[in-house]
Amino acid sequence: DGGITQSPKYLFRKEGQNVTLSCEQNLNHDAMYWYRQDPGQGLRLIYYSQIVNDFQKGDIAEGYSVSREKKESFPLTVTSAQKNPTAFYLCASSIDPTGASETQYFGPGTRLLVL
Amino acid sequence: SQKIEQNSEALNIQEGKTATLTCNYTNYSPAYLQWYRQDPGRGPVFLLLIRENEKEKRKERLKVTFDTTLKQSLFHITASQPADSATYLCALANSGYALNFGKGTSLLVTP
Repeated sequence: DGGITQSPKYLFRKEGQNVTLSCEQNLNHDAMYWYRQDPGQGLRLIYYSQIVNDFQKGDIAEGYSVSREKKESFPLTVTSAQKNPTAFYLCASSIDPTGASETQYFGPGTRLLVL
Repeated sequence: SQKIEQNSEALNIQEGKTATLTCNYTNYSPAYLQWYRQDPGRGPVFLLLIRENEKEKRKERLKVTFDTTLKQSLFHITASQPADSATYLCALANSGYALNFGKGTSLLVTP
């Protein structure tokens, strides 16, 4: 089956700990995105990547880091610098490298909770 | 500043009726406008994309209109069913920029 997978479904973080959220796609899409969603809020863009080995900050990149070493993978690390990490994290991809207005395909999400 | 506004109050309608959701935007000149559906605890799913030169687009029971003068899109679900209950997100971007999403409107269709 083609699609986007995210793991884990739930993730618990201790104070001062870095955690990494996985995102894998087998759609052969060039562009990938990470969003954060808080209750009752819209999706806010954290980082996006239009091509392998390149990525750009979104609106709320502080406290997060990403890598894009392979086309199919775009992991997100929530660092200890992110003081309010509890949220629902969504990964998405789109066909067009420009990515700007193209349809996005979303993964099932990872819910991050702080212990 | 750029804004995408969707009704924050939930929309409750009776099965069989037409649901109409509104998306208003300011300080955008979007080439496209998209609508997504999101169920609780899941990722959004793409429904429809409408281009700036299109007034209306249809897909089965769904209809989207796009008025660039009013800076508004309307999303209609005809003959609504309880299975249509979900949150519906409007999304748009200026050309060359990343997509921005509204906060969504929750729709509840009761039997």
